[in-house]
Amino acid sequence: AQSVTQLGSHVSVSEGALVLLRCNYSSSVPPYLFWYVQYPNQGLQLLLKYTTGATLVKGINGFEAEFKKSETSFHLTKPSAHMSDAAEYFCAVSVINSGGSNYKLTFGKGTLLTVNP
Amino acid sequence: DTGVSQDPRHKITKRGQNVTFRCDPISEHNRLYWYRQTLGQGPEFLTYFQNEAQLEKSRLLSDRFSAERPKGSFSTLEIQRTEQGDSAMYLCASSLSRGSVYGYTFGSGTRLTVV
Repeated sequence: AQSVTQLGSHVSVSEGALVLLRCNYSSSVPPYLFWYVQYPNQGLQLLLKYTTGATLVKGINGFEAEFKKSETSFHLTKPSAHMSDAAEYFCAVSVINSGGSNYKLTFGKGTLLTVNP
Repeated sequence: DTGVSQDPRHKITKRGQNVTFRCDPISEHNRLYWYRQTLGQGPEFLTYFQNEAQLEKSRLLSDRFSAERPKGSFSTLEIQRTEQGDSAMYLCASSLSRGSVYGYTFGSGTRLTVV
């Protein structure tokens, strides 16, 4: 079974500083990987996803993530934090099951990003 | 495309009462998913439908929970005899068949508080 570990339940950065949110996954087969953002009392919004191909994935709002198979990691970065980036971020993994279908997302526990002025 | 709609946004109920939530997916999406998110945790998979067929139920979905998707359109999630441990955000998502390739779209959720 697949799993996701997000290192750091809370990350605090200054406005304009680099954002780095860590995600490691466990999967016995090639995974599909996702980052979602959740603002208070809202649903989840997809930031970016990795399926196949290029390992550096660019998403919305200036975020990007790099799939590193050797490190089983999919860390999320943004060069310069903005106040509006303050939210909770979830890494998720999906794998193809024995029936050839992938339908279930397994989420990490989330990382709360705080941006200080 | 109006996205995934969930109703109600908030529900406060007394322990022991039954509650029902509704989810309207994106119209062309044939898959619909329910997740539960408790405070400080990521969403956890509950169940999913392909069209009107419920294809998997998590062990988290006790006998008090039932989900339906009549005619493969909207879905309802009912919780009978609610308990305080049922307090959570219930999220609905929808996708095309290859959800991991084309993406899952989540609704804004229904926050349930059992008092």
